[in-house]
Amino acid sequence: DVVMTQSPRSLPVTLGQPASISCRSSQTLLYSDGNTYLDWFQLRPGQSPRRLIYKVSNRDSGVPDRFSGSGSGTDFTLKISRVEAEDVGIYYCMQGTHWPVTFGGGTKVEIK
Amino acid sequence: QVHLVESGGGAVQPGRSLRLSCIGSGFNFSSSTMHWVRQAPGKGLEWVAVISYDGRTRYYIDSVKGRFTLSRDNSKSTVFLQMNSLRPDDMSLYYCVRGGTSGPGKYWGQGTLVTVSS
Repeated sequence: DVVMTQSPRSLPVTLGQPASISCRSSQTLLYSDGNTYLDWFQLRPGQSPRRLIYKVSNRDSGVPDRFSGSGSGTDFTLKISRVEAEDVGIYYCMQGTHWPVTFGGGTKVEIK
Repeated sequence: QVHLVESGGGAVQPGRSLRLSCIGSGFNFSSSTMHWVRQAPGKGLEWVAVISYDGRTRYYIDSVKGRFTLSRDNSKSTVFLQMNSLRPDDMSLYYCVRGGTSGPGKYWGQGTLVTVSS
């Protein structure tokens, strides 16, 4: 199975400051169709997971533009340009290139 | 508006069975791949299983193979997860998720809680 490694596991951030989460896969996530199936999800307390980004860098509708995704191959990053209070939660990367689908261990974003 | 509503969770003893259901609305259910993802208490997200739009193809995570079975009834816009021989490590909040480009997608249900304890 593809192992997804996220860092850091905990990320204290000052309101209004940027935040960056790294996700590394044990195999390339580039699929034979030319797509890279790497998504990012946000899990806020008491809510269902919310997809923020799909295929590395495509923002879902309704997701604020302060969220952005980048990367290729085995190295990926989720960035929040200016953290707001509502961004507190746990963020997960997920790969859908190889079966079974696997998630990273999560990064907890909290306000300092 | 897309809605996914899970039901069927509950508290059972190890070795017993449960059947989860997920009803979808607001989208073309019969052309959608459907996934189940779970989250154990204090743990991260774990993909469990997927069923193709027509029910002919199903994949499971190794730890549930032979114990869990996915099925669907497109006439009722419902997917079922039959869980047999439940173990304490199956205890989780189970989410039904509409398939995305590859893997679970944008639309998730609210989850149904499965507790396995003697």
